Amino acid sequence: AQSVTQLDSQVPVFEEAPVELRCNYSSSVSVYLFWYVQYPNQGLQLLLKYLSGSTLVKGINGFEAEFNKSQTSFHLRKPSVHISDTAEYFCAVSGVNSGNTPLVFGKGTRLSVIA
Amino acid sequence: DTGVSQDPRHKITKRGQNVTFRCDPISEHNRLYWYRQTLGQGPEFLTYFQNEAQLEKSRLLSDRFSAERPKGSFSTLEIQRTEQGDSAMYLCASSLDAHLARYNEQFFGPGTRLTVL
Repeated sequence: AQSVTQLDSQVPVFEEAPVELRCNYSSSVSVYLFWYVQYPNQGLQLLLKYLSGSTLVKGINGFEAEFNKSQTSFHLRKPSVHISDTAEYFCAVSGVNSGNTPLVFGKGTRLSVIA
Repeated sequence: DTGVSQDPRHKITKRGQNVTFRCDPISEHNRLYWYRQTLGQGPEFLTYFQNEAQLEKSRLLSDRFSAERPKGSFSTLEIQRTEQGDSAMYLCASSLDAHLARYNEQFFGPGTRLTVL
């Protein structure tokens, strides 16, 4: 079984500043890792995913994440945030070799970008 | 491609009533998932289908919850004898079968927000 811990429930940041949202996971098997974004009253949208290969993954809207197997982390970063990045961000994990198994999500981090 | 749709978007009901939610997946997707999201939490998996077969239902929260996908297209999630603790956002997602690729993205619908009074 897998679990995900998002270390910060809320992250306020000023516009154009960099941001890092932290995610740690636990699993007895190899995993796929994901970051989703949820805007108010909307469903989840995939920002980026790590399946294999390069540990630095680039996604949409200028976000990137780095997979660190030894630290079991998958932190999300953006060098310069915009007001429109204000949303809830979820880290998720799925076991490899299990096909499209259901995702296990963290509790989410609310990013608030301040003008 | 209109994406995953869910109906209704909002449902208010009284405790003890039955409710049913519908999910229409992306047309060529044969996998369909249901998740529940309570306030301040991430989505929690409930059940999923491959075509009309329900592959996992042990995570349904109680025997008051049931789901169907009779023709392998749309799906319904029913909650009988609703309780206040059932108040949550119910999310549906769909994907292609992972047999066709290493991993296929799950696309989420906008959700149905249930309020039980």
